[in-house]
Amino acid sequence: QVQLQESGPGLVKPSETLSLTCTVSGGSVISASYYWTWIRQPPGRGLEWIGYIYYSGSTNYDPSLKSRVSISLNTSNNQFSLKLNSLTAADTAVYYCARGESSTYYDVFDLWGQGTMVSVSS
Amino acid sequence: DIQMTQSPSSLSASVGDRVTITCRASQSINSYLNWYQQKPGKAPQLLIYASSSLQSGVPSRFSGSGSGTDFILTISSLQPEDFATYYCQHSYNIPFTFGPGTKVNIK
Repeated sequence: QVQLQESGPGLVKPSETLSLTCTVSGGSVISASYYWTWIRQPPGRGLEWIGYIYYSGSTNYDPSLKSRVSISLNTSNNQFSLKLNSLTAADTAVYYCARGESSTYYDVFDLWGQGTMVSVSS
Repeated sequence: DIQMTQSPSSLSASVGDRVTITCRASQSINSYLNWYQQKPGKAPQLLIYASSSLQSGVPSRFSGSGSGTDFILTISSLQPEDFATYYCQHSYNIPFTFGPGTKVNIK
């Protein structure tokens, strides 16, 4: 079955850039049926949608993060990635990658990675 | 941005109880409303989509209803594995936003 797995550094310094990768196994990121998204959860708090990318390369981001975020596809390795720059302590969170499915009647995140904790600290 | 609120923020219930959680959107979102369950240290899991459609593999004791701005998640008979935090999320437009969550505790 399809599985998602996040990877990346657990600790990043303020003002630096966070780079995370999500590896998709058991399925292809080049799928017209799905899109690929990042969601984060600060410690003890709720879920925050960051953005998504379609197989075509088309992206959409949360406006509050748009100036700092980039999501890309690596079809050779069946991965998609998140870059978030100008980090502050407020970016400390568990970062999840997830698969999205869209239709006329719904948009859902139906499959999630286990999440990776990222701390921003000097 | 559309703001999502949930009530209550937490509740205590016993196994076998009927539990209802309310989610409200700051503007009409038709039926573009999903519910997720999250257990401690785990990723969220999709329960209900399009307000009332049960995700494959989810027990039938979970149900959802509502349209417009007001939505309800119902657990008809609470089971031990249902103690978790529940989030609503709209997919009406960008940015998708989640509610603050409702934590279901054991009484």
